[in-house]
Amino acid sequence: EPEVTQTPSHQVTQMGQEVILRCVPISNHLYFYWYRQILGQKVEFLVSFYNNEISEKSEIFDDQFSVERPDGSNFTLKIRSTKLEDSAMYFCASSVDQNTEAFFGQGTRLTVV
Amino acid sequence: AQSVTQLDSHVSVSEGTPVLLRCNYSSSYSPSLFWYVQHPNKGLQLLLKYTSAATLVKGINGFEAEFKKSETSFHLTKPSAHMSDAAEYFCVVMGGFQKLVFGTGTRLLVSP
Repeated sequence: EPEVTQTPSHQVTQMGQEVILRCVPISNHLYFYWYRQILGQKVEFLVSFYNNEISEKSEIFDDQFSVERPDGSNFTLKIRSTKLEDSAMYFCASSVDQNTEAFFGQGTRLTVV
Repeated sequence: AQSVTQLDSHVSVSEGTPVLLRCNYSSSYSPSLFWYVQHPNKGLQLLLKYTSAATLVKGINGFEAEFKKSETSFHLTKPSAHMSDAAEYFCVVMGGFQKLVFGTGTRLLVSP
């Protein structure tokens, strides 16, 4: 069964460093998303991406964050100048279109120290 | 704005007994609703979805949910719990264009 794949599963980084979280969405999906879950809190929407551009983003998704689809398969989330409060589980998801269910990856646990 | 409220942070059941996880929604239009499950150290897996077709929705692993507009509810049920059902369950509403809005989650504990 096709699945969304995220790497790495766990990333530890020092405060102030840049990290790139990687995702391979399901191959025939056209919409891609990033969500995050801070420990003990809700899963929160960060950004959606379609046709090589951001289609919607939350207030969390400020200039510190960026997304990219560098090739035909990968979808990345870059976080610049990481802060302690960026520590969270980051989930990538994809869907066929904007009205169907999203399929989620297993997540990348980011720990900023 | 669309939102969901999961009424219980934890639910404990014995194996073989029924499961009820409660969710109420708030939406200004006919919502698309989902239940996702998260097992420890795993991703979010779709259990079932409601998109204005049948009000009783059947999902994977014997779970089902009933959309009740009059009560603005979308409770998740299963007739008989299994140990493998122990996980975190999220009620989710489509919050607008391409955006899912998650509830706070309900942790289901299943005892032998």
